[in-house]
Amino acid sequence: IVLTQSPGTLSLSPGERATLSCRASQGVDSGYLAWYQQKPGQAPRLLIYNAASRAPGIPDRFSGGMSGTDFTLSISRLEPEDFAVYYCQQYASSPRTFGQGTKVELK
Amino acid sequence: EVQVVESGGSVVRPGGSLRLSCAASGFTFDNYGMNWVRQVPGKGLEWVSGIKWNGGSPDYADSVQGRFTISRDNGKNSLYLQMNSLRVEDSALYYCARVGGGGYYYGLDVWGQGTTVIVSS
Repeated sequence: IVLTQSPGTLSLSPGERATLSCRASQGVDSGYLAWYQQKPGQAPRLLIYNAASRAPGIPDRFSGGMSGTDFTLSISRLEPEDFAVYYCQQYASSPRTFGQGTKVELK
Repeated sequence: EVQVVESGGSVVRPGGSLRLSCAASGFTFDNYGMNWVRQVPGKGLEWVSGIKWNGGSPDYADSVQGRFTISRDNGKNSLYLQMNSLRVEDSALYYCARVGGGGYYYGLDVWGQGTTVIVSS
């Protein structure tokens, strides 16, 4: 399964809403898709699993959605610490592919 | 504290071998599947391999199939990645990560800081 993330870069200001897209080349069984955040010099952090479930400790401004083969990660109001790179990953089938990432940068 | 710590990264010549290790602590290791993920500096994440809690169903990315072998020793709370026939394009930071939720279909919820593999002549 190939995951295509868009846009490549999102330039926004704190307080704005961010909407990131991840499109799968075929159906992802049971919505087995996760979203991760990665900051420079750090390991990725799990935000969302099973397309729409927030991982423990993740603020409720992060939400995930699914419609067919299209998945979205929304950040309702960007905080300064949210500027980072975001990856989607499907784990429904092997190989457990990642998308190429979306960078959310400060405008 | 729940954590995983990778080790074993090094500089190796093309065609050489290397074994990475991942030591887990703070959780019941044999309840969780484990994965290896790699990242070239400045580039995206690439899933490499995964294994179930009991060592079953190891699977691999096409790019490493037949060259890398994942294994685990639940008695030692450790995960391994045996890397043979290494290529320049295998150079990356290798992360060990836990499959969350106690099953095998979940996101990766615990990550180490990675160990660096450089394949160069």
